[in-house]
Amino acid sequence: DAGVTQSPTHLIKTRGQQVTLRCSPKSGHDTVSWYQQALGQGPQFIFQYYEEEERQRGNFPDRFSGHQFPNYSSELNVNALLLGDSALYLCASSSQIYEQYFGPGTRLTVT
Amino acid sequence: AQKVTQAQTEISVVEKEDVTLDCVYETRDTTYYLFWYKQPPSGELVFLIRRNSFDEQNEISGRYSWNFQKSTSSFNFTITASQVVDSAVYFCALSEVAGANNLFFGTGTRLTVIP
Repeated sequence: DAGVTQSPTHLIKTRGQQVTLRCSPKSGHDTVSWYQQALGQGPQFIFQYYEEEERQRGNFPDRFSGHQFPNYSSELNVNALLLGDSALYLCASSSQIYEQYFGPGTRLTVT
Repeated sequence: AQKVTQAQTEISVVEKEDVTLDCVYETRDTTYYLFWYKQPPSGELVFLIRRNSFDEQNEISGRYSWNFQKSTSSFNFTITASQVVDSAVYFCALSEVAGANNLFFGTGTRLTVIP
């Protein structure tokens, strides 16, 4: 039973560019959440997708957007990258009210 | 507003010692869930436990135990007879509704177990 998978593992981008990160949820899970974890900090909630719609959003600007596909996989898009966007981006999946399971993350470096 | 405080930034113990990681939370909700996650150097957050606000029973799972005290808004985690493999960053988190709603994380406690 595959867990949560994310791609790519690492990414280096330049300020102003756009990036897309991908996540496949654990089998049987229909809800995907995205978190940003800056170095030395706890993860911060970006948004959550359920039934292909954004259900909840944290305190992140509109430059952060997402999408969920019919197979429950999800993408996180970040436009106009800033140096401060450098972080580990974690995807978590869950099935309704149960606990979230996290993927290995994508480490984004913005130069 | 929700808040999770992990006052211990880093802890070092010698193998086989017991260690307790502290977690204090704030929430206005009467129904909420508390979690502990482990983040080894690989970066993946590993789920350890979930407790709901109506269940204050302590829980033991092997070398791990959790002490939930609503009166002091604390949810502490104890590792008994620590091992080198326990070295990781441990996060306490709060959710107003289990699973489907977002998690509020503390800043984590880095545990180093010295052989």
